[in-house]
Amino acid sequence: QLQLQESGPGLVRPSETLSLTCTVAGASISSTSYYWGWIRQPPGKGLEWIGMIYYSGSTFYGETTYYNPSLKSRVTISVDTSKSQFSLKLNSVTAADTAVYYCARLSGTYYSDYWGLGTLVTVSS
Amino acid sequence: QSVLTQPPSVSAAPGQKVTISCSGSSSNIGNNYVFWYQHLPGTAPKLLIYDNNKRPSGIPDRFSGSKSGTSATLGITGLQTGDEADYYCGTWDNSLSAGVFGGGTKLTVL
Repeated sequence: QLQLQESGPGLVRPSETLSLTCTVAGASISSTSYYWGWIRQPPGKGLEWIGMIYYSGSTFYGETTYYNPSLKSRVTISVDTSKSQFSLKLNSVTAADTAVYYCARLSGTYYSDYWGLGTLVTVSS
Repeated sequence: QSVLTQPPSVSAAPGQKVTISCSGSSSNIGNNYVFWYQHLPGTAPKLLIYDNNKRPSGIPDRFSGSKSGTSATLGITGLQTGDEADYYCGTWDNSLSAGVFGGGTKLTVL
């Protein structure tokens, strides 16, 4: 059974970098059949797609990332296959980045069939 | 402002049927598969429908999905109080090269 688990600080200071890691268990993060992504939900608001990464399995082709245009200048998603983890970095955070952050596996037609439980990240001084 | 448009809320009595609409454009719904999630507070979203009208294993056939042109619809029959939740549609947007969601619809079972 595939399981995903988010980890990282629950409190981040304004203007600093939010860093989260998602650990994948029960399936290979190196699978070329899926994407690995991040989705968030600010308090009282709807779901927001952050971005995803595709691991080609080839050092020649490397990885491909897709980002929400509204966040693209501040977001980086990376994967560490040796640790079965993928990560999210969001820099220059403000209070508007306070949200529950979910990691998820995405299919070839972009739906998420497996999700982490979510982690609340608060941006506050 | 969400890329996909959903009604903020819908309601119906137990046992009745409800539909939730999701409107988009040719850059998203019109040329991509649509999926639907059920989201209860404090839990991860649950996939209800994928590829427009397919149900994952374990999702009862009370839930159905359809798509026509640039709009999609989620149908729920035999409403139960346990169906009270927020429902989100989503798809890929070719112009944005990103995933997009609707703003969510709160279902109340009266």
